[in-house]
Amino acid sequence: EIVMTQAPVTLSASPGERVTLSCRASQIISINLAWYQQKPGQAPRLLIFGASARATGIPARFSGSGSGTEFTLTINSLQSEDFAVYYCQQHELGITFGQGTKLETK
Amino acid sequence: QVQLVQSGAEVKKTGASVKVSCKASGYGFIGHYINWVRQAPRQGLEWVGWINPNSGGTNYEQKFQGRVTMTRDTSTSTAYMELNRLTSDDAAVYYCATCSGTPCYFEYWGQGTLVTVSS
Repeated sequence: EIVMTQAPVTLSASPGERVTLSCRASQIISINLAWYQQKPGQAPRLLIFGASARATGIPARFSGSGSGTEFTLTINSLQSEDFAVYYCQQHELGITFGQGTKLETK
Repeated sequence: QVQLVQSGAEVKKTGASVKVSCKASGYGFIGHYINWVRQAPRQGLEWVGWINPNSGGTNYEQKFQGRVTMTRDTSTSTAYMELNRLTSDDAAVYYCATCSGTPCYFEYWGQGTLVTVSS
């Protein structure tokens, strides 16, 4: 099983800031990585697929990068609606998720 | 627009079975796999498996094999997930979500179905 490890577990930031979330795979997954945002009581929402492609309707302040085993999700100019939990997911071999990063207001 | 509408919350006893449905609309049902992903209280996301609505073929996460069955009804564009021999560890919100097969990232999600397991 490919283990996905996200860091940090919790990230405190203020509106307007730029933040970077990390996701590491236990083995090479090429660019078979997606990022999701989940707010309390809601289903996850797809943000990024193919490591760097934004899903339909996702604002340009969200960007993804990386390949192989190291990936990042960057959010520029944080908006109040961006405070949520973020998950990465690989689909190179089976399907596994990271444990999530909670982005909270500082 | 694409919609996945799931059945309502369930309360089951330990050892029982639960069957959750996911009705799709707004797209060609047989063109996208239906996946099931669960989330235990205050926990992360866990993939359970998928069904190919076109062929009926399935792929289950190993830990659920022998206990989960995914089926579909193409006449009603509905997918089902049945989980047997429930334990307290199965208490979770179960989501259905679409993917294209390969690659498999989840573009559309259902609203979730809460399954409570009590002794």
